[in-house]
Amino acid sequence: AQKITQTQPGMFVQEKEAVTLDCTYDTSDQSYGLFWYKQPSSGEMIFLIYQGSYDEQNATEGRYSLNFQKARKSANLVISASQLGDSAMYFCAMREGGNTGNQFYFGTGTSLTVIP
Amino acid sequence: NAGVMQNPRHLVRRRGQEARLRCSPMKGHSHVYWYRQLPEEGLKFMVYLQKENIIDESGMPKERFSAEFPKEGPSILRIQQVVRGDSAAYFCASQTSGGSTDTQYFGPGTRLTVL
Repeated sequence: AQKITQTQPGMFVQEKEAVTLDCTYDTSDQSYGLFWYKQPSSGEMIFLIYQGSYDEQNATEGRYSLNFQKARKSANLVISASQLGDSAMYFCAMREGGNTGNQFYFGTGTSLTVIP
Repeated sequence: NAGVMQNPRHLVRRRGQEARLRCSPMKGHSHVYWYRQLPEEGLKFMVYLQKENIIDESGMPKERFSAEFPKEGPSILRIQQVVRGDSAAYFCASQTSGGSTDTQYFGPGTRLTVL
């Protein structure tokens, strides 16, 4: 089974609107971390936001927030007030807390296009 | 993430040549990870190293690929006798320790093209 599933290959959003990028995960560990990264056309991977499995509140970082629903195993990224510079690929990732080498498992990504 | 350095940024090799990719982690980070990204795909884990130790190489192909992180100097990912299927972006990431809550910070990647 896929550890991380991103079902939206491409998304469009109007500038200044909010957009939600979906991410579901699969793990039997009780302790794990969820991460979102942005990859613009230049190719680098930019860390956006982190959510720990024991965190009771949803993580927020500026215009980014993570809608964490543990029972549903979902960790959707919400970008508020979209800007043209938000156009990029977005990857959801998970690290499990057991002795698995601490590698990240990445989804296949969602391509976001912000329309002026 | 600007602190993780990778070079070269772009590397072109002919089939059968060797490719050597370098990664200098962020200052204070002693854990290094290598990932490969094929076109239109997410990143796939290859290997996890600490100084002078390979901790997990479960994602590394058994042949032609090797990695090291010496006591001094950058981490090196080496691909011998490259083939066209090795063409991809190779990312290095570093973190302070092995904790599951630690964020991994990525370098800009090396884009390998095999002709």
